[in-house]
Amino acid sequence: AQKVTQAQTEISVVEKEDVTLDCVYETRDTTYYLFWYKQPPSGELVFLIRRNSFDEQNEISGRYSWNFQKSTSSFNFTITASQVVDSAVYFCALIPYNQGGKLIFGQGTELSVKP
Amino acid sequence: GAGVSQTPSNKVTEKGKYVELRCDPISGHTALYWYRQSLGQGPEFLIYFQGTGAADDSGLPNDRFFAVRPEGSVSTLKIQRTERGDSAVYLCASSPRGRRTSTDTQYFGPGTRLTVL
Repeated sequence: AQKVTQAQTEISVVEKEDVTLDCVYETRDTTYYLFWYKQPPSGELVFLIRRNSFDEQNEISGRYSWNFQKSTSSFNFTITASQVVDSAVYFCALIPYNQGGKLIFGQGTELSVKP
Repeated sequence: GAGVSQTPSNKVTEKGKYVELRCDPISGHTALYWYRQSLGQGPEFLIYFQGTGAADDSGLPNDRFFAVRPEGSVSTLKIQRTERGDSAVYLCASSPRGRRTSTDTQYFGPGTRLTVL
């Protein structure tokens, strides 16, 4: 099966707290690509990061960081010192190489950051 | 430059009617994708165009759904005999290269919210 699971449906934190959004994926392909997108209340999906299966280096971009672990098929996303503007639904997604063009999304995690 | 644009932003129609949803991709992007997002769910793939041709239409739910991209730029998603279950947000995305097994990053438009009464 080719599948993405985001077990956390909703998370609520207070501003300045750190928060981690979990993503677990399944694929038969040895080559694949993982993505995170943000969907604010306006509705437009905003691209955050793309990672290929051969690059397990963690990545940091400002307050955002991503932890890719092939051994556990996970691609978790951490926001440090969260802000109200981080409130959104976050989607993890997968493209297996042999299904190029077809993003497989998780159910999404709704993050609410309260002041 | 301009992002992906979609029109209309909202469409309300009656059961049994025909609707067309339009997508204008980022200039120069050769690949175009349609997804459908139901309330509280992640987007689900419908169809993917490489240039003018549909490279993968395996996500279209039935033969009431059809999409075209005649000149390799703007695409139209067409839904015949709409049903209440078609109500959703229809998202369009584009990516730069559009090879057969495209794994490029897809950039999304704001979506069209379709409501079938």
